[in-house]
Amino acid sequence: SQQGEEDPQALSIQEGENATMNCSYKTSINNLQWYRQNSGRGLVHLILIRSNEREKHSGRLRVTLDTSKKSSSLLITASRAADTASYFCATDRSSNTGKLIFGQGTTLQVKP
Amino acid sequence: DTGVSQDPRHKITKRGQNVTFRCDPISEHNRLYWYRQTLGQGPEFLTYFQNEAQLEKSRLLSDRFSAERPKGSFSTLEIQRTEQGDSAMYLCASRPLAGGLSTDTQYFGPGTRLTVL
Repeated sequence: SQQGEEDPQALSIQEGENATMNCSYKTSINNLQWYRQNSGRGLVHLILIRSNEREKHSGRLRVTLDTSKKSSSLLITASRAADTASYFCATDRSSNTGKLIFGQGTTLQVKP
Repeated sequence: DTGVSQDPRHKITKRGQNVTFRCDPISEHNRLYWYRQTLGQGPEFLTYFQNEAQLEKSRLLSDRFSAERPKGSFSTLEIQRTEQGDSAMYLCASRPLAGGLSTDTQYFGPGTRLTVL
């Protein structure tokens, strides 16, 4: 079963706007990762945030983690049409196995 | 290209047939994972290997499914007596066990899309 939920399920914005996606999970985690998936393709790793971190940046991406609320958010600033994809959060509950538990994803459409 | 590769990319089969998929991980990645993704859903964990040892299997992996990694390099996932419910994208990922900058990051292949008619 899925670890948690992502919100919203779908998001449509204009190029240049910011996009925010939220992820909630159910159990304690070792780290949380965000992936992007273009239609019919494999997953591309975007960013990883560990349980003892609260915020992380990578280029136009900003990820926050609130372990007390068991939630994370992904912010994409100055969006581009090429950002159109599905975005998934995935939690790693144990460093022993490393298996990832994915959310259901947010489908982002960026209109040019 | 030194990424994770999967073969075939697409497979169409008739119900009841057996299918086998192959995954070649990034060289020297000790851990290899298989996931299944159905339309509109996130990937679901199936099984993983550390070198040649299969260390965990999900309840999703019925007795019709078998995975191997005989030499600790490439892996195969076989589905016997396929059912229409097996139609999905099968994703493979690998990661190093230790060392390097991103030991917790999994690197995914392009997937094998299975359609069972």
